Amino acid sequence: AQSVTQLDSQVPVFEEAPVELRCNYSSSVSVYLFWYVQYPNQGLQLLLKYLSGSTLVKSINGFEAEFNKSQTSFHLRKPSVHISDTAEYFCAVAKANAGNMLTFGGGTRLMVKP
Amino acid sequence: GAVVSQHPSRVICKSGTSVKIECRSLDFQATTMFWYRQFPKQSLMLMATSNEGSKATYEQGVEKDKFLINHASLTLSTLTVTSAHPEDSSFYICSARVLGNTGELFFGEGSRLTVL
Repeated sequence: AQSVTQLDSQVPVFEEAPVELRCNYSSSVSVYLFWYVQYPNQGLQLLLKYLSGSTLVKSINGFEAEFNKSQTSFHLRKPSVHISDTAEYFCAVAKANAGNMLTFGGGTRLMVKP
Repeated sequence: GAVVSQHPSRVICKSGTSVKIECRSLDFQATTMFWYRQFPKQSLMLMATSNEGSKATYEQGVEKDKFLINHASLTLSTLTVTSAHPEDSSFYICSARVLGNTGELFFGEGSRLTVL
């Protein structure tokens, strides 16, 4: 079975500062990794994903995450956050080639202050 | 990207009544849909996997007679919370997988159920 740990439940940060949201996973098989964002009272939106290939993946709104197999991590970073980035962020893992059953981390609430 | 729509987005009901939540894939066919439950300030917990034309597969601890799932077509899955009680109040989210897709799931907007 897979598991996902998001080490920080809340991350407060000032606008335009850099941020890193940490995610570590455990699995005995190859996995796909995802970051989803959830705004209040809404469903989840995919932010970015790693399936294979380049270990650094980027989203269209400035976020990026790097798959580190040796450290079993998939940390999410943004060099300069905006107020609008305030949301809940979930890291998730799925067994590669095995039906997309996602296991979610506990979530990290990113709070961007002016 | 593909769009998944849930209805209703919010529902308030009296204890003992049943509530049906619909999950539709609007622009693609989904052989498999997933139902999640999310308590306040917590992560998503998978409740069941819904397969078109067959019985749903429930996760351990989820009562299949209480949470009825029907996946009658490639674009629609429904979750019915039967004889709802206040402890069933939660945010229910569905997701769907595009046929042939290797990894990405698309999520609905969620349905907030409040049982009085």
